Amino acid sequence: EIVLTQSPGTLSLSPGERATLSCRASQSVSSSYLVWYQQKPGQAPRLLIYGASSRATGIPDRFSGSGSGTDFTLTISRLEPEDFAVYYCQQYGNSLWTFGQGTKVEIK
Amino acid sequence: QLHLQESGPGLVKPSETLSLTCTVSGGSISSSGDYWVWIRQPPGKGLEWIGSISYRGRTKLSPSLKSRITMSVDTSKNQISLNLSSVTTADTAVFYCARDREYLDTLTGYYERAFDIWGQGTVVTVSS
Repeated sequence: EIVLTQSPGTLSLSPGERATLSCRASQSVSSSYLVWYQQKPGQAPRLLIYGASSRATGIPDRFSGSGSGTDFTLTISRLEPEDFAVYYCQQYGNSLWTFGQGTKVEIK
Repeated sequence: QLHLQESGPGLVKPSETLSLTCTVSGGSISSSGDYWVWIRQPPGKGLEWIGSISYRGRTKLSPSLKSRITMSVDTSKNQISLNLSSVTTADTAVFYCARDREYLDTLTGYYERAFDIWGQGTVVTVSS
C-alpha cells in the first residue's frame, strides 16, 4: 500500500500570500491518479485537482497542481478568505485508493 | 446535476452491523467507467477510503476493512449499499459516498480518476 505524507501539517498564512503544500509518496505514483481535495468544517471534501495538474470544473486558476513520481505540490497563488481549509492529497494504485493525512491552511 | 444522499441509522451498537445506503439522483449509476465509493472520516481525523463498486457489482475493497465489508448495487433504485460488520467504537465516523469518475486526458490518451461528486455525509456513532 502506498503511503502519502503531507507537509506541513499546518500552514499559517495571511490572505494574499502564496501557499505551497507538499504530498510525498512512499513509492512512485502515476500522475494520472494523483488528486487534491479541499475540505471545510462540516462539509464534504471538494475536488480541486485531478491527474496531478488538471483543475476540476469551477476551480479558480489560483489553484495549481504539479509534480511527478513521488513528489507532488498543490499551490494556491494568492490566498482568498474562502481558501482557509484542510487539503488532502489522494492516489490510486494497485486497485487501492489512499489519502494523505491532510494539511490545514489557517489564517495567520 | 447529479446528487448523492447517504442514509442509515445514526447509532449502532458494538458488535452489530452498520448498514448504509447511498441514493443517486439526477443521473444513472449505470455509467461505464464510473465507480461508486464509500469513504469515512472519524471525528477530527482524516479521510479513509472504504471501498468502491461498479454498476456491474465489481468491487475494490480496503485491505484493512475487507473482512468486514459487503458492498452492493441496485441499479433499479439507483442505489449502492454498504454493510460493515462487527463494529466497534473505532468505527464511529462520518460516512460519505462519492462518484469515482474516469476522465480521458485527450492530450496524453491516459485515463485519470477522481472522486468528483460527494454526498453530504452521514454521522454514525457506535455506542451501547
